Amino acid sequence: DAGVIQSPRHEVTEMGQEVTLRCKPISGHDYLFWYRQTMMRGLELLIYFNNNVPIDDSGMPEDRFSAKMPNASFSTLKIQPSEPRDSAVYFCASSFQGAPGTEAFFGQGTRLTVV
Amino acid sequence: EDQVTQSPEALRLQEGESSSLNCSYTVSGLRGLFWYRQDPGKGPEFLFTLYSAGEEKEKERLKATLTKKESFLHITAPKPEDSATYLCAVRHGSSNTGKLIFGQGTTLQVKP
Repeated sequence: DAGVIQSPRHEVTEMGQEVTLRCKPISGHDYLFWYRQTMMRGLELLIYFNNNVPIDDSGMPEDRFSAKMPNASFSTLKIQPSEPRDSAVYFCASSFQGAPGTEAFFGQGTRLTVV
Repeated sequence: EDQVTQSPEALRLQEGESSSLNCSYTVSGLRGLFWYRQDPGKGPEFLFTLYSAGEEKEKERLKATLTKKESFLHITAPKPEDSATYLCAVRHGSSNTGKLIFGQGTTLQVKP
C-alpha cells in the first residue's frame, strides 16, 4: 500500500477563498483523522471518522470548517471562507481498530498558506 | 481535563551521549500510548505503542517505557540521523474510540 495520500502538498490562497484538502486513507482502515499542526499549538485533532461516519468534530475551530467522507477511500476537509489564521500544515491519518497496535499512519500533509 | 505534556521542548546532544525524553499524561482510561518521530516537512512516523504500566519496547537505539503517569523514550548512543521531533500521543476513553491526543513534542538535535 502507498500509505495515506494527501493532496495538494502545498496550497497558497487568498483570504476569503474556498480551500479543499483531500485524503485517501490506507485501504482497509476504518478510522480517519484530520489534524492541524502549527508551531504554537502543535498537532490538534480537528475531526475523526469511523466507517465513514463523523464521530467527534469538537476540534473543528469554526463553522467555516467542514469535513466529509463519502466512501471508505476518500475524505475532504473544506475551509470556506479561508482566513490567514488558518495557515498551517493539515495532516490526514488512518488506522485500523480491529488489530492490536492500533496506531495511526499519517500522510505527508498539506501546507496551507492563506494570504 | 485530558492532557499530554512532553519535556524538554528541545534537547541537544553530542553523538554518543545517551539521554531520555519524557511524556507525562493525565487521561481517563488509557487505551494506548504512542511514540512518533517527525522529520521536517513530513508527517509523523509511528515508532512504538505501549498499553500497560511496566511495558517496554525497543527499536535500534530507542527504548520506550511506561508507568501509570508517564512514559520515557530513552536514546542510547544517538547518531545525527536520530535528530527529529519526537511526539507522544495517548488514546483514551471508556469505549473503543480512536481519538489520539498529542503532546507538543521534543525536538532532538544530535551533533557529530
